[in-house]
Amino acid sequence: DTGVSQNPRHKITKRGQNVTFRCDPISEHNRLYWYRQTLGQGPEFLTYFQNEAQLEKSRLLSDRFSAERPKGSFSTLEIQRTEQGDSAMYLCASSLRSVSGKGAGELFFGEGSRLTVL
Amino acid sequence: DQQVKQNSPSLSVQEGRISILNCDYTNSMFDYFLWYKKYPAEGPTFLISISSIKDKNEDGRFTVFLNKSAKHLSLHIVPSQPGDSAVYFCAASENSGGYQKVTFGIGTKLQVIP
Repeated sequence: DTGVSQNPRHKITKRGQNVTFRCDPISEHNRLYWYRQTLGQGPEFLTYFQNEAQLEKSRLLSDRFSAERPKGSFSTLEIQRTEQGDSAMYLCASSLRSVSGKGAGELFFGEGSRLTVL
Repeated sequence: DQQVKQNSPSLSVQEGRISILNCDYTNSMFDYFLWYKKYPAEGPTFLISISSIKDKNEDGRFTVFLNKSAKHLSLHIVPSQPGDSAVYFCAASENSGGYQKVTFGIGTKLQVIP
């Protein structure tokens, strides 16, 4: 399978604990995105990497959230001191084309990591 | 501040008929518009897109129409099939510092009744 891979698929944790999610993008894709989706909402942008550089972060990404993409391959999203409001599906996507033209905006999503904070 | 709006949370259509999903946007800087399809327990998958300089793009049973003056787009599925039952997200992208930033609507759940 050469699609975007995310793990774990499900994580249940107690409030205050730290959690980490991993995303393995499609191997030739240099651009990687994290989105968050809550019930009844569409995916909301969290952050964007081009290779290993984190180029944009949403104001939704509080200081308890940190994302990395060492060596420009896989990425991790860590949430420290989780709160119940962090419960959501965390989606990772990757893309190759990003500038204007055919394929612009076409993202390849993983199946997501569902977080439940008790 | 929802820049991409899908005002119909759900839609039911008989198999074989046309499904029309609507979407409105507010940001004039969007240069591409896309539709994604999502099945339960899966991530969204790209379906079809249209450049802001065009008014129609067709791919098999799926056609997207763009009315730029009204800031409105729609997805037509003809004929609808039970396998089309899914959540459809309207999305729009803009060039943001050298990459395409994609903004999603809240989705419309389509049910195609056999």
